[in-house]
Amino acid sequence: QSVLTQPPSVSGAPGQRVTISCTGSSSNIGAGYSVHWYQQLPGTAPKLLIYGNTNRPSGVPDRFSGSKSGTSASLAITGLQAEDEADYYCQSYDSSGVVFGGGTKLTVL
Amino acid sequence: EVQLLESGGGLVQPGGSLRLSCAASGFTFSSYAVSWVRQSPGKGLEWVASVNGGSDNTHYTDSVKGRFTISRDNSKNTLYLQMNSLRADDTAVYFCAKSPQYTTLTPLDYWGQGTLVTVSS
Repeated sequence: QSVLTQPPSVSGAPGQRVTISCTGSSSNIGAGYSVHWYQQLPGTAPKLLIYGNTNRPSGVPDRFSGSKSGTSASLAITGLQAEDEADYYCQSYDSSGVVFGGGTKLTVL
Repeated sequence: EVQLLESGGGLVQPGGSLRLSCAASGFTFSSYAVSWVRQSPGKGLEWVASVNGGSDNTHYTDSVKGRFTISRDNSKNTLYLQMNSLRADDTAVYFCAKSPQYTTLTPLDYWGQGTLVTVSS
């Protein structure tokens, strides 16, 4: 059972917009800790997608955006492409250290 | 180019020990925190441990405290994870990852490809 809750799966057609939620508590996201998002393509290592709630590392398309409100955060992907099919993980912190969400598998229909 | 190359994984019996290494290149190793994150087969990511640039601040997930030790040798640009009293539920791919800052509890901006640890009799 992960500390941060994500939907197991989401799907969308090419060109559509999808969102992935990440629900925490007052002990982690709600305590003011930053949320980061990672993309893991099949058989590869995770890649940092969003850091500090809303920031994109160099090279990440602006189709990806992050937001945070209260005890939750969201990752939005617009203009969905086949190459976006992957697992997505949110990550934050609590008093014990680093916490991850359980991951969401994005399927591009 | 930032590169992180893990090694040392393999098959070990329950109760045994293993030491993982992560060789870093392409950046000033001593200036950044580094971490170990694991992923059990078919499962999600689980943070294991982190160490800051100067090795004077470490953090561990509760399930490995007292069994695993994270360390680094800045002269060799290498991160280590000493794993003792291994259990079946430690079976996973272990990734090393760097942070963009000296301190721990910061995002993980580069990851290695991982090394598989299998704990089984």
